[in-house]
Amino acid sequence: DAGVIQSPRHEVTEMGQEVTLRCKPISGHDYLFWYRQTMMRGLELLIYFNNNVPIDDSGMPEDRFSAKMPNASFSTLKIQPSEPRDSAVYFCASRGLAGLGFGEQFFGPGTRLTVL
Amino acid sequence: GENVEQHPSTLSVQEGDSAVIKCTYSDSASNYFPWYKQELGKRPQLIIDIRSNVGEKKDQRIAVTLNKTAKHFSLHITETQPEDSAVYFCAAKGGSNYKLTFGKGTLLTVNP
Repeated sequence: DAGVIQSPRHEVTEMGQEVTLRCKPISGHDYLFWYRQTMMRGLELLIYFNNNVPIDDSGMPEDRFSAKMPNASFSTLKIQPSEPRDSAVYFCASRGLAGLGFGEQFFGPGTRLTVL
Repeated sequence: GENVEQHPSTLSVQEGDSAVIKCTYSDSASNYFPWYKQELGKRPQLIIDIRSNVGEKKDQRIAVTLNKTAKHFSLHITETQPEDSAVYFCAAKGGSNYKLTFGKGTLLTVNP
């Protein structure tokens, strides 16, 4: 298994542009999480899905952020319009039921976003 | 919501010494506590976890302890090696959902 796949790995864009980040979870995993990591705020959960349905989006910072999961093997996180304060590393993680049901979250390699 | 505090933010030890990182959580319903290691420029990776019905768990040189009454848990690394140098994150999972709330991380440096 290739693990969680994210694209692009690096994105540099200008303020006001739309940014779309992509994630392919591990096959068979039924939970997908989007995190943002910055030095100031650490690792923050933005939103998570179960069986393609958004369960908790309370971490999404504002309406400029949106996430979708049209099927079990693909999810997107979109920022429109982007702002310099959105610069961060965005991680996608997936989880499947394992052991006693808690299940490890496996992280993708991340997308480093820079908004100029 | 859950709040996880992690200390210290940086820790420097000599190779062979032990390292201890401590975390506290606020939600008494939290029932799962993983620890992740993140090397520079890499993704977080699980190194050990503990469930609320267990007080201690060991895996070779690393161990985690949990005190549910005090709502704190700790990571212990013995016989540290330079390759242990990384940022370590603790996390807590709510009792009724699958959200992980992470601590702010501890930068561990092991000096040869």
